[in-house]
Amino acid sequence: NAGVTQTPKFQVLKTGQSMTLQCAQDMNHEYMSWYRQDPGMGLRLIHYSVGAGITDQGEVPNGYNVSRSTTEDFPLRLLSAAPSQTSVYFCASSYRPGLEQYFGPGTRLTVT
Amino acid sequence: GENVGLHLPTLSVQEGDNSIINCAYSNSASDYFIWYKQESGKGPQFIIDIRSNMDKRQGQRVTVLLNKTVKHLSLQIAATQPGDSAVYFCAENSEARDDKIIFGKGTRLHILP
Repeated sequence: NAGVTQTPKFQVLKTGQSMTLQCAQDMNHEYMSWYRQDPGMGLRLIHYSVGAGITDQGEVPNGYNVSRSTTEDFPLRLLSAAPSQTSVYFCASSYRPGLEQYFGPGTRLTVT
Repeated sequence: GENVGLHLPTLSVQEGDNSIINCAYSNSASDYFIWYKQESGKGPQFIIDIRSNMDKRQGQRVTVLLNKTVKHLSLQIAATQPGDSAVYFCAENSEARDDKIIFGKGTRLHILP
C-alpha cells in the first residue's frame, strides 16, 4: 500500500490564484480529513469527510472547498488564494473517526 | 514540516531518562484521545490511543494516562532515545458530538546527550 499520498509537495501561488491540493489513499478508509499547520498553532482541521459524497466543515473552513466523489480521493480547493493561506497542509485518513489517522507527507504552500 | 514547533513548549530530557508530556483538554464529552509524533519535515505519526473508559494504556516504551476528572492526558516515554526527538501532539474526538478530531498545539521533545 502507498498509504496516504499528497501532491504537490511544494507550491507557490500569487494572491487570487486558484489551485487544488490532491490527496489519495489506498487503504479503503471511509474517513478523510484536511489540516493546516502553522508555526505554534498545531494542526487545525479544515474539512473532513466520513464517506464518499459526504463532507463537513472543521475548525477553519473559510477559503477552502472539498469534495469526495470516491472513497480514495479527497481534493482540497483554494478558489482565490490569500497570503493567510500560506501553510503546510496535511491530509489524513482512517477507517472511521474513532480510530488512528494516517497522515500524508504534506504540501507546503506559499501565497505571495 | 519546517518551522513546526516554533513557539511551542519544549521539554528537554537527558538521554535514557523518562519523558512525560502533558496535554489538557476542555471538552468533557471527548471520549477518544490519541498521541501523535511529528518529526521534522514529516506528517504526524500515530503513537498510542486511549478511550474514555480507560485511565491507562501501555505500548512499547510508551504509556498514556487519562484523568477525566481534571481533563488531563499524559504521554510517558521510557528510556528516552535520540530518535524520540520530535513534536508530540495530543488529539481528541467525541463520537457523541461530531466526527471532528481536534489537535492540541504540541510539545517539542529535545533529547540531551
